[in-house]
Amino acid sequence: KAGVTQTPRYLIKTRGQQVTLSCSPISGHRSVSWYQQTPGQGLQFLFEYFSETQRNKGNFPGRFSGRQFSNSRSEMNVSTLELGDSALYLCASSSGEVAPLHFGNGTRLAVT
Amino acid sequence: AQTVTQSQPEMSVQEAETVTLSCTYDTSESDYYLFWYKQPPSRQMILVIRQEAYKQQNATENRFSVNFQKAAKSFSLKISDSQLGDAAMYFCAYRRNTGNQFYFGTGTSLKVIP
Repeated sequence: KAGVTQTPRYLIKTRGQQVTLSCSPISGHRSVSWYQQTPGQGLQFLFEYFSETQRNKGNFPGRFSGRQFSNSRSEMNVSTLELGDSALYLCASSSGEVAPLHFGNGTRLAVT
Repeated sequence: AQTVTQSQPEMSVQEAETVTLSCTYDTSESDYYLFWYKQPPSRQMILVIRQEAYKQQNATENRFSVNFQKAAKSFSLKISDSQLGDAAMYFCAYRRNTGNQFYFGTGTSLKVIP
């Protein structure tokens, strides 16, 4: 079974631009979560989608948004990029509420 | 809010020796799940071990075992017979009984000395 796939692997953007990251979960997994990882803050929860609906949301500004498609693939969008948005963005899927998360390799975003 | 604390930013262990990574958490709930994840330089987070809070028996996965002390809200990871491939960042994580939001600690960087 293929794992969680995130694209692109690396991204460089300029302040003020917007970016879209993509995540394909493990086949059969309907829950997709997004996390931001930075050296100082560790992993911070962004949001979780289940069956195309946002089920949980972390404490991030509205510039961070996401969506999930009918095939469970998910996208995360960040608008009006700031330098502080530079981070590793990790996507994880799971088969249910009591199941562990399975992570992708992440997208490294650099904002200059 | 749930918080997870890993007080050891870095740890070192000699190859073939045993090392214990510490984790404490804060919660008012009685039912929850605890996890240890490993993140090697490849960046992919890999599940090492999980523990259900309602189970008194400590989880074990081959060379990895936990010491779960519910009253003390402590969840340490013991790695026996350390191998070079164990070198990575290790994250402790908490998840409530409902919902799928994980709370992670800031990680412990483990170095294995040959």
